[in-house]
Amino acid sequence: KQEVTQIPAALSVPEGENLVLNCSFTDSAIYNLQWFRQDPGKGLTSLLLIQSSQREQTSGRLNASLDKSSGRSTLYIAASQPGDSATYLCAAPFFSGGYNKLIFGAGTRLAVHP
Amino acid sequence: DGGITQSPKYLFRKEGQNVTLSCEQNLNHDAMYWYRQDPGQGLRLIYYSQIVNDFQKGDIAEGYSVSREKKESFPLTVTSAQKNPTAFYLCASSRQGTDTQYFGPGTRLTVL
Repeated sequence: KQEVTQIPAALSVPEGENLVLNCSFTDSAIYNLQWFRQDPGKGLTSLLLIQSSQREQTSGRLNASLDKSSGRSTLYIAASQPGDSATYLCAAPFFSGGYNKLIFGAGTRLAVHP
Repeated sequence: DGGITQSPKYLFRKEGQNVTLSCEQNLNHDAMYWYRQDPGQGLRLIYYSQIVNDFQKGDIAEGYSVSREKKESFPLTVTSAQKNPTAFYLCASSRQGTDTQYFGPGTRLTVL
């Protein structure tokens, strides 16, 4: 069974700070891990997908790393801006019932204040 | 524009009523999914469909039903058997054999 945990549950930082969001998973036999962004009352937007063969994936000010051996992934946000305020969720695949389903963490709610 | 749409954005239901949430995609994706999101929790899978005329129960299917008569459409019915239906419902789709899911904007269901 795959369980995904995100720490911290909420984070409030001043603009300009570099920050790290953490995601841990129990079943390390994953072949990828995804990070999503969710704005209040909206759907999810895919940010980064890291394959197990990669250790990092970058998109602009976002950098995600994956360490399967320790069951952890981190999302690094550089030079945070108020527009980064949202909930960030990670999701790991789990094979069950002949299908690879995504198991989501509860998310980290980020507030970046000016 | 390709995308995935959900309607309505807000839905109010009286106790004992069935309601149907719409999900439509024009991405030509084979697979579609329904998730439920409660405050402070991650998404939980209700139903998924990998192909037209076929669907499978997810982790919390009790009190819900779906149909997949067309590739583009995957409506979710919340029945009166669902005892705590107030939640945010998200629909997603993906290409067969890939894990990247594309999400709709969601429907917030409230039971009065």
